[in-house]
Amino acid sequence: AQRVTQPEKLLSVFKGAPVELKCNYSYSGSPELFWYVQYSRQRLQLLLRHISRESIKGFTADLNKGETSFHLKKPFAQEEDSAMYYCALGDGNNRLAFGKGNQVVVIP
Amino acid sequence: NAGVTQTPKFQVLKTGQSMTLQCAQDMNHNSMYWYRQDPGMGLRLIYYSASEGTTDKGEVPNGYNVSRLNKREFSLRLESAAPSQTSVYFCATGETGYEQYFGPGTRLTVT
Repeated sequence: AQRVTQPEKLLSVFKGAPVELKCNYSYSGSPELFWYVQYSRQRLQLLLRHISRESIKGFTADLNKGETSFHLKKPFAQEEDSAMYYCALGDGNNRLAFGKGNQVVVIP
Repeated sequence: NAGVTQTPKFQVLKTGQSMTLQCAQDMNHNSMYWYRQDPGMGLRLIYYSASEGTTDKGEVPNGYNVSRLNKREFSLRLESAAPSQTSVYFCATGETGYEQYFGPGTRLTVT
């Protein structure tokens, strides 16, 4: 069965400091990985997906199949990055398995 | 376009009471999902519907039933609420490619 692990529950960083959210997965097939974000009082929304290889709001995530990881990174955190972040893995049937989430707090 | 709507936004139930959470979408998506969000547990899939007329269990289906009334609507029913079902419930829709669109959530407290 597929599984997603996000080890840190809460991450506090100072504004301007780098942010890295770790995500590891286990999956027997070819993985499809995503990061979703939930800002305060807003809906959960897609941030980025590995297949797009794009940068959204300064965030990037690289799929490392050897390490089975899909860490989310941003070089300079902004206050508006404070949110809950979820790593998610597609199961091959249009369903997502979510990790437990990371609460990010950016300190001004 | 409202996207994905959920009713109610908040609900307090007593143990043993029943209720139905409603979800509707105007995105013309085939797939619809119900999740619960609990602190430290992330999002867990309760039930999903790949298309009108079909439903399947997710990770945590016990204590819940669902109905895919038509392409637009997917309801979640708690027949006999328990305190363990205190949670925030999210409905989502999607097509191929796994991007899912979420509703605003229903915060349910069972006392």
